[in-house]
Amino acid sequence: GAVVSQHPSRVICKSGTSVKIECRSLDFQATTMFWYRQFPKQSLMLMATSNEGSKATYEQGVEKDKFLINHASLTLSTLTVTSAHPEDSSFYICSAREHWGSQPQHFGDGTRLSIL
Amino acid sequence: QKEVEQDPGPLSVPEGAIVSLNCTYSNSAFQYFMWYRQYSRKGPELLMYTYSSGNKEDGRFTAQVDKSSKYISLFIRDSQPSDSATYLCAMSASRDDKIIFGKGTRLHILP
Repeated sequence: GAVVSQHPSRVICKSGTSVKIECRSLDFQATTMFWYRQFPKQSLMLMATSNEGSKATYEQGVEKDKFLINHASLTLSTLTVTSAHPEDSSFYICSAREHWGSQPQHFGDGTRLSIL
Repeated sequence: QKEVEQDPGPLSVPEGAIVSLNCTYSNSAFQYFMWYRQYSRKGPELLMYTYSSGNKEDGRFTAQVDKSSKYISLFIRDSQPSDSATYLCAMSASRDDKIIFGKGTRLHILP
């Protein structure tokens, strides 16, 4: 149980393109979803926390206008990287928490984004 | 000082050996401690989840938490080549607080 599906797994696109990444909880309802970014040989850095039906909470230093997060249902959250540039190339991972206050988070398999 | 410190390795051990991985932390408010395994180009997979101090065992894995020393460990017995991965420690102050991750230790089990 507790499967999180992330799509696509790999994206290669030109600079200036906007890219949308989907995160779905397949067998549970996720009131809270998290978006992380991971650079090579670095730890997961939390970008934002999204609660279903409300605006996402962004971590300090993360541009909310560049990384648009939508959590429209209890099973789906999306991250859109707008006007992506080469420095946005990274491994983006989502996770979902089953209900408020529960631990742990269940992670998707990540999306490797490469901006040319 | 970073909140969570973890030696990045790599750590290479022969198959069958006992592996010891550890993290130190500075925030005494941390109460929940986790160990994740991450294979290359995959998301983290939860291995162990403990609350407060003490030991927890699950199969070949044992997690230890020493809050007085702000030190946590993961032991892997009878290590297998399939255990080769990056191991991330993680912790949080409360159930709904954000999780802080260590950088991860790359582990290689040599056949």
